Amino acid sequence: EIVLTQSPATLSASPGERATLSCRASQSVSINLAWYQQKRGQAPRLLIYGASTRATGIPARFSGSGSGTEFTLSISSLQSEDFAVYYCQQYNNWPRTFGQGTTVEIK
Amino acid sequence: QVQLVESGGGVVQPGESLRLSCEASGFTFSKYNMNWVRQAPGKGLEWVAFMRYDGNNKYYADSVQGRFTISKDNSKNTLYLQMNSLKTEDTAVYYCAKDPAVAAYSGSFDIWGQGTMVTVSS
Repeated sequence: EIVLTQSPATLSASPGERATLSCRASQSVSINLAWYQQKRGQAPRLLIYGASTRATGIPARFSGSGSGTEFTLSISSLQSEDFAVYYCQQYNNWPRTFGQGTTVEIK
Repeated sequence: QVQLVESGGGVVQPGESLRLSCEASGFTFSKYNMNWVRQAPGKGLEWVAFMRYDGNNKYYADSVQGRFTISKDNSKNTLYLQMNSLKTEDTAVYYCAKDPAVAAYSGSFDIWGQGTMVTVSS
């Protein structure tokens, strides 16, 4: 099973700041990695797939990069609605696995 | 619009069974791979099961292999998860989630339902 390790566990930032979230895979997943945003009490929402392709309707301030074992989700200028939990997920191997999540909170 | 609506959750005792349903609308259900993903209270996401659009391939997480069965009825646009021999650690919100690729593999989940809560407790 591929283990995804996200860092940091919690990121404290102010609106307007840039946020950078990391996801490290225990073995290569090529570019078969997605990022999701989840707000309290809601289902997750797909942000990025293929490591760097924004899903439909996702604002341009969200960007993804990386390949192999190292991936990054960047939010260029945090908006109030971006404070949430973010998960990475690999779909290169079975079973599909998720990282443990990064909470982006208001500083 | 594209929508997934889960139902069938509830409170059961360890060892009992439950069947979850996920009704799809707004897209051609028979052409998309489907998944179940769960989230224990206060915890992260865990993929549970996958079914290929044509029913020819199914995969399960080790934690549910042999106890859970994924199935679908294209005539009813509905995905199912039959859960047998339930354990307390199966307590979670269960989401159905759609793969974005048409009649092909993608592996990400572009549409999610609102979830249905399953509580296993004595």
